[in-house]
Amino acid sequence: DAGVIQSPRHEVTEMGQEVTLRCKPISGHNSLFWYRQTMMRGLELLIYFNNNVPIDDSGMPEDRFSAKMPNASFSTLKIQPSEPRDSAVYFCASTVGQGGQPQHFGDGTRLSIL
Amino acid sequence: SQQGEEDPQALSIQEGENATMNCSYKTSINNLQWYRQNSGRGLVHLILIRSNEREKHSGRLRVTLDTSKKSSSLLITASRAADTASYFCASTGGGNKLTFGTGTQLKVEL
Repeated sequence: DAGVIQSPRHEVTEMGQEVTLRCKPISGHNSLFWYRQTMMRGLELLIYFNNNVPIDDSGMPEDRFSAKMPNASFSTLKIQPSEPRDSAVYFCASTVGQGGQPQHFGDGTRLSIL
Repeated sequence: SQQGEEDPQALSIQEGENATMNCSYKTSINNLQWYRQNSGRGLVHLILIRSNEREKHSGRLRVTLDTSKKSSSLLITASRAADTASYFCASTGGGNKLTFGTGTQLKVEL
């Protein structure tokens, strides 16, 4: 079975550019999470969706970040405009049900903003 | 910010030895989970222990939970070079939101 699929795996772009990260969750999973991982701050939850509806976006750093989930099989995380401090590895994860079920992670997008 | 703290931050052992990692959390939980992350990869779920459980085993993994001390430990027995990775605990107090610890980097040398 296919796991969580993220694209691109690597992205290098210049400050000020728009960045779009993509995620395809595991089929049948109804919750989707976006995380950011850095050496300084560890793994941070940015936002999560349940049944395509954003439930908690308190971790989104600022208005430059936005996330959408137009359907059950696709989500995007957009940064506009990007800044060097946004450089990190961004992970998408999905799970099924409620109550803190195990999450399945993609292999992440390594983002470098120059 | 991360709610959980893990220690040690880094651990280096010889193949065949046991590895023990500890995790502390700050609020009451429904369950606590452990994940492994290999370099350049996403996190992989290892084991889940519920708040009413004290110990759980899965293969070479043994997890304990002490809710009175708000702490958990992960023991990997008879370690292998392939166990080299970072290990994270994650707690949930309800709903689907997990709070991850800072992680322990384990290196198993031949």
